[in-house]
Amino acid sequence: DAGVTQSPTHLIKTRGQQVTLRCSPKSGHDTVSWYQQALGQGPQFIFQYYEEEERQRGNFPDRFSGHQFPNYSSELNVNALLLGDSALYLCASSRRSSEQPQHFGDGTRLSIL
Amino acid sequence: RKEVEQDPGPFNVPEGATVAFNCTYSNSASQSFFWYRQDCRKEPKLLMSVYSSGNEDGRFTAQLNRASQYISLLIRDSKLSDSATYLCVVNIGGGSYIPTFGRGTSLIVHP
Repeated sequence: DAGVTQSPTHLIKTRGQQVTLRCSPKSGHDTVSWYQQALGQGPQFIFQYYEEEERQRGNFPDRFSGHQFPNYSSELNVNALLLGDSALYLCASSRRSSEQPQHFGDGTRLSIL
Repeated sequence: RKEVEQDPGPFNVPEGATVAFNCTYSNSASQSFFWYRQDCRKEPKLLMSVYSSGNEDGRFTAQLNRASQYISLLIRDSKLSDSATYLCVVNIGGGSYIPTFGRGTSLIVHP
């Protein structure tokens, strides 16, 4: 039973570029959430997708957008990259219930030069 | 005030010690609670859910105090391998499902 998988593992971009990160949820999960984790901080909620729609959004600018596909996989897109976007980006999946814990992927480490 | 607050530590304890962490939350509508463990440069991994009646899993005990709006994690007989960052997570239910993480508490267990 595959867990949450993310790609790529590492990525280096320059300011102003655009990036797409990918996530496949754990088998049986239908909800995908994306988080940004800066060094020394807890994960910060970006947004959550369920039934191919963005259901909840954290305090992130419109440069951060996403998509969920019919097979529940998801993408996170970030436009006009800034140095401050350098972080670990985590994808988590769960079943659609506030009682269910989330399972995380290994993350994508994004560095902006 | 932050929605979920944790003392960042680090907590430095010897092997075999008992250590406890607290996590306070501000939204009284919060419905579910979890503790995650995160090793350096790794993803968070679920340690345990926190139930209203309190729950235990081996050396780990989690408790919820709704009146004072905090959850706690107690680790007994600490092992070197317990060294990690412990993150508390609070979910707000009722249609607003946003898992909110604390910044984590760092634990260092030394010989």
